[in-house]
Amino acid sequence: EVELVESGGGLVQPGGSLRLSCTASGFSFSTYWMSWVRQAPGKGLEWVANIKEDGSEIHYVDSVKGRFTISRDNAQNSVYLQMNSLRAEDTAVYYCAKDTYSGSSFFDYWGHGILVTVSS
Amino acid sequence: DIQMTQSPSSLSASIGDRVTITCRASQSISMYLNWYQQKPGKAPKFLIYSASSLQSGVPSRFSGSGSGTDFTLTISNLQPEDFATYFCQQSYNVPKTFGQGTKLEIK
Repeated sequence: EVELVESGGGLVQPGGSLRLSCTASGFSFSTYWMSWVRQAPGKGLEWVANIKEDGSEIHYVDSVKGRFTISRDNAQNSVYLQMNSLRAEDTAVYYCAKDTYSGSSFFDYWGHGILVTVSS
Repeated sequence: DIQMTQSPSSLSASIGDRVTITCRASQSISMYLNWYQQKPGKAPKFLIYSASSLQSGVPSRFSGSGSGTDFTLTISNLQPEDFATYFCQQSYNVPKTFGQGTKLEIK
């Protein structure tokens, strides 16, 4: 059974930093892209970043470029999101998602989500 | 960036009804369109990929169609567990973008 478990969320002041972790199990982690997707309170879904199987290709949404860094450790079956210079508008539930590329691409499994609150 | 627009934003229906949700892309995305269902306080659940292919385990009352810029999600014979918010998402290019969601409520 595929399982994705996020950790590392919490309350942080504007301008601060936070590192999210996502640990995967139940599939061959090193052979899949992984993504982070966020959802501000009461709002829709926003894709944030993704990373290729071996970490050789990375993409970000413009609003986080230069502030967020996605990385992975295939030995630990984990993907990370380092978030710096946090803003109030980064407040959201952050989901880790398995990003499957098979002809098309889709997020076929999601973690439970972790809340990040940016507030003074 | 490709903008995804869903309509309606909300919809009321009864058990047993058939409903259709529309998703429009700001440019052609071929068939690179996925659908997700989300219930309050839960992570999204993957339903349909490549516009019309049902994910394993998803009931056959769910169906998708379309290509290019216009897509639909149809739910036949609505069941109590289908009342949720539905999102479309394009996988044509990055950034991968979602529609704003359609909330399906019970009448």
